[in-house]
Amino acid sequence: DAGITQSPRHKVTETGTPVTLRCHQTENHRYMYWYRQDPGHGLRLIHYSYGVKDTDKGEVSDGYSVSRSKTEDFLLTLESATSSQTSVYFCAIRPRQGVTEAFFGQGTRLTVV
Amino acid sequence: GESVGLHLPTLSVQEGDNSIINCAYSNSASDYFIWYKQESGKGPQFIIDIRSNMDKRQGQRVTVLLNKTVKHLSLQIAATQPGDSAVYFCADGRGYSGAGSYQLTFGKGTKLSVIP
Repeated sequence: DAGITQSPRHKVTETGTPVTLRCHQTENHRYMYWYRQDPGHGLRLIHYSYGVKDTDKGEVSDGYSVSRSKTEDFLLTLESATSSQTSVYFCAIRPRQGVTEAFFGQGTRLTVV
Repeated sequence: GESVGLHLPTLSVQEGDNSIINCAYSNSASDYFIWYKQESGKGPQFIIDIRSNMDKRQGQRVTVLLNKTVKHLSLQIAATQPGDSAVYFCADGRGYSGAGSYQLTFGKGTKLSVIP
């Protein structure tokens, strides 16, 4: 699992509530990513980070924010959850520039009711 | 827009046969392509990658072929085993900006089922 821990693994929340998902890595890798996976869409990039406090948007960033105050933690926040954000969220890490391989976490299944 | 797609959503093969999973892409500027395997309830797992300046790359029981003329790549699995049953994704990787950005665009996946 390349030292990646996602928490929680499962969550059910109500529409309009804030939700924060955590990705924790023990490998001190520079690059971290948040993807969402939905049937018929594959994996889509939400946000990524290339260092502490350095983040940027992916293709589906609306409704999401991220923070990275420490190398090991990358937080994904849904400020006000909507049913369209029901999905499986994956965190990924990549060791360094020039390396193509990305390691994925086990995923967080989020249901917004 | 740019996309990475798969020709078939499902593929069933007999144990011991070879499997071929296909993928089409549209971005000629992609620097590399990656195949991932995802088993049920798990995150995607890296299988093999290929740089855009290559035509073929082999790994353990897997071969990836890249045809840039028709923007097509394939993953060949030799002597398919029950443990190969999973969803397979192709992804294309973009170049790096000054900040070292790296974005993978994933296809929708092909589900491979191995018949014992």
